[in-house]
Amino acid sequence: QKEVEQNSGPLSVPEGAIASLNCTYSDRVSQSFFWYRQYSGKSPELIMSIYSNGDKEDGRFTAQLNKASQYVSLLIRDSQPSDSATYLCAVHGSSNTGKLIFGQGTTLQVKP
Amino acid sequence: SAVISQKPSRDICQRGTSLTIQCQVDSQVTMMFWYRQQPGQSLTLIATANQGSEATYESGFVIDKFPISRPNLTFSTLTVSNMSPEDSSIYLCSVEGGGNTEAFFGQGTRLTVV
Repeated sequence: QKEVEQNSGPLSVPEGAIASLNCTYSDRVSQSFFWYRQYSGKSPELIMSIYSNGDKEDGRFTAQLNKASQYVSLLIRDSQPSDSATYLCAVHGSSNTGKLIFGQGTTLQVKP
Repeated sequence: SAVISQKPSRDICQRGTSLTIQCQVDSQVTMMFWYRQQPGQSLTLIATANQGSEATYESGFVIDKFPISRPNLTFSTLTVSNMSPEDSSIYLCSVEGGGNTEAFFGQGTRLTVV
């Protein structure tokens, strides 16, 4: 079992719709969770971090965390073609070493 | 957030040669991380570089192939040694914000081995 799992997609949504990206993780004691966006040929860019159960909203983005289910998601409201990218879920390992474990990423396509 | 400068941004190298990638951070950081992203894949951690000690390598990565230097708290290098076409990847330098918070990335080095 992979430590951080995502559906690789592609996930295709029409412009203006809500895109829902999902991620599960295997280490029950993980405490820090992140969503990165990566455009083709570019390095990952942090868009959301979440540390507590529940929802965290920032503009059009909402991160949701459920530690009991070991599940973290990202919702993108009013999706725009510029949101088309690969979204990487990342989790801090439980050993407090500072290193991140990444999922394989979900490719999102927003069609005009 | 930290500003990370990584160079070169890209290179095309002959097999059997070595390439050293440099990473400069605009503030002092305890740990720096080197990741590899193979074509169409996600990021895989190569090693953690701490100032004043040997780098800690992840399973599947060895010091002879990926020697790392960390001479001070703002700089690190990763060398890809005796390269083969399988080493063609993007190599990324990263630092953590502190306290298991978010990580920031350099712009990456796109390496092609021919």
